[in-house]
Amino acid sequence: AQSVTQLDSQVPVFEEAPVELRCNYSSSVSVYLFWYVQYPNQGLQLLLKYLSGSTLVKGINGFEAEFNKSQTSFHLRKPSVHISDTAEYFCACHYGKLTFGQGTILTVHP
Amino acid sequence: NAGVTQTPKFQVLKTGQSMTLQCAQDMNHEYMSWYRQDPGMGLRLIHYSVGAGITDQGEVPNGYNVSRSTTEDFPLRLLSAAPSQTSVYFCASSYAPGLRSYEQYFGPGTRLTVT
Repeated sequence: AQSVTQLDSQVPVFEEAPVELRCNYSSSVSVYLFWYVQYPNQGLQLLLKYLSGSTLVKGINGFEAEFNKSQTSFHLRKPSVHISDTAEYFCACHYGKLTFGQGTILTVHP
Repeated sequence: NAGVTQTPKFQVLKTGQSMTLQCAQDMNHEYMSWYRQDPGMGLRLIHYSVGAGITDQGEVPNGYNVSRSTTEDFPLRLLSAAPSQTSVYFCASSYAPGLRSYEQYFGPGTRLTVT
């Protein structure tokens, strides 16, 4: 069975700084990978996805992620964050069913 | 399109009570799922359905029942509420794998407290 590990439960960062949210997955077969964002008191919204092709995936709001098969990682990055990026971010992999990581709370300080 | 809708938004139950959380989608999605979200544990799959009349258990099915009589609706029943079921519940829907992008669309959630 696949599993997803988000290596940081909380990431504080100052506005306009770069950020990386780390995600590792374990699966012996090819999977599809996703990042979802959850703003306070809302449902989840898809940020980006990797299904196949280019390993660098661009999503909404300036986020991007890189699929690294040899390291079984799918880290999320943004070169310059805004206050409005404050939210909880979930990495997920899909092989038959969608399995979520534990979530990373990103807090952007002014 | 309304997307995925859930009712109620908030609910307080006493231990032992039963209730049904409603979920509906208007996107003609085959797949529907129920998750619960607890702090530090991400989202865990309770039950899912690959089409009308077909349901299966997820990671944490105990204490919950589902049915799928139509493509649009996927209600979640709590049979006898327990404090351990205090959580935020999300319903999600998607197209069947292989046909689209596997993206799941989430409802706004139901915040349930069991006292």
